[in-house]
Amino acid sequence: DGGITQSPKYLFRKEGQNVTLSCEQNLNHDAMYWYRQDPGQGLRLIYYSQIVNDFQKGDIAEGYSVSREKKESFPLTVTSAQKNPTAFYLCASRGTATFNYGYTFGSGTRLTVV
Amino acid sequence: GEDVEQSLFLSVREGDSSVINCTYTDSSSTYLYWYKQEPGAGLQLLTYIFSNMDMKQDQRLTVLLNKKDKHLSLRIADTQTGDSAIYFCALPGAGSYQLTFGKGTKLSVIP
Repeated sequence: DGGITQSPKYLFRKEGQNVTLSCEQNLNHDAMYWYRQDPGQGLRLIYYSQIVNDFQKGDIAEGYSVSREKKESFPLTVTSAQKNPTAFYLCASRGTATFNYGYTFGSGTRLTVV
Repeated sequence: GEDVEQSLFLSVREGDSSVINCTYTDSSSTYLYWYKQEPGAGLQLLTYIFSNMDMKQDQRLTVLLNKKDKHLSLRIADTQTGDSAIYFCALPGAGSYQLTFGKGTKLSVIP
């Protein structure tokens, strides 16, 4: 079955460490997105990519980095410059052939700073 | 840019109807969406409506769209405890497929 997979489900980071969250899709979707979710804040866009080897900053890109070397993969690195990284991170994708242009979401990664 | 507003909380008794409301600022959206998020999970597309429709019904779900007032609503009939979740309204901005999400309405169903 086609879908979007995020790993790991839970991740713990020590102060000063970089960590990378994985997002892989086999839906042949062109566009991919990373969101951060905090209680009561809804979804905030971190980065998005509409095509391989190209990506744009979202509303809260500071302290994060991404790459898009393959259509299927859009990893997110949370760097030590991100001062408050504890949150739930969601990856999504959208295909231009999807008739209603809706997003498909992964199941999320919960990142906790210890 | 697009602004999407939802109330944050709604509490209903099991068996009653739930109505979740959403207002938006950009009237050029083609599709408007409702997503459901269960605790600890990602968002799943619940239903959507095309902008040339006023209403869409899908089993217990009814979506109403009032383009004049820029108001979208989701009605859940015979609400069950399994409907307890956060519901997000989402729509694309002008000339874009990129979705803007409301902050989500947390629906609590009281047995």
